[in-house]
Amino acid sequence: GENVEQHPSTLSVQEGDSAVIKCTYSDSASNYFPWYKQELGKRPQLIIDIRSNVGEKKDQRIAVTLNKTAKHFSLHITETQPEDSAVYFCASWGPYNYGQNFVFGPGTRLSVLP
Amino acid sequence: EADIYQTPRYLVIGTGKKITLECSQTMGHDKMYWYQQDPGMELHLIHYSYGVNSTEKGDLSSESTVSRIRTEHFPLTLESARPSHTSQYLCASSEGGGRNSPLHFGNGTRLTVT
Repeated sequence: GENVEQHPSTLSVQEGDSAVIKCTYSDSASNYFPWYKQELGKRPQLIIDIRSNVGEKKDQRIAVTLNKTAKHFSLHITETQPEDSAVYFCASWGPYNYGQNFVFGPGTRLSVLP
Repeated sequence: EADIYQTPRYLVIGTGKKITLECSQTMGHDKMYWYQQDPGMELHLIHYSYGVNSTEKGDLSSESTVSRIRTEHFPLTLESARPSHTSQYLCASSEGGGRNSPLHFGNGTRLTVT
């Protein structure tokens, strides 16, 4: 079945710097990759997603890139702000995942230092 | 407002009690899910449903059960709570139908079993 690895597990950056989180997946049939942000005590919320027919997607300060050949996708946050501090989860979805469900990475705890 | 609602938000209960965690969504989504998550840690799928009268077990063994009698309602029941059940339980929904659409999470129920 599908396996999703996520690195790093923790990341500290200075305010204004960039942050990059990388995920790798194992099933070449996976075709949809969302990213979720979970602030302390709150629910995970979708921040950006990408489908396998696209190599990059941007939304203001966040972007996601996908390399299907290497089977990895990355979240890029530019000009980080303290409110970006949260746990970020990547996920993959594929037709052969058990029950057609998402497989999540273990999460990255991002701290943006003022 | 279309959303997914969970009650109670917090629950402290003694060992051996039967509890039901409520989840309702007003988005008309077919698929619904229950995840178990220790705060800020990995998301573990424990149950999911494709639609009415459909329930499936997820990848994490769980002593809980679920039912799906109505599209909008997906309650989770623990027949006999134990301290090992202490965790956060997140309900989610998606459009389903085989489409790779994102998950929408509820605010969660934080369960403590004493």
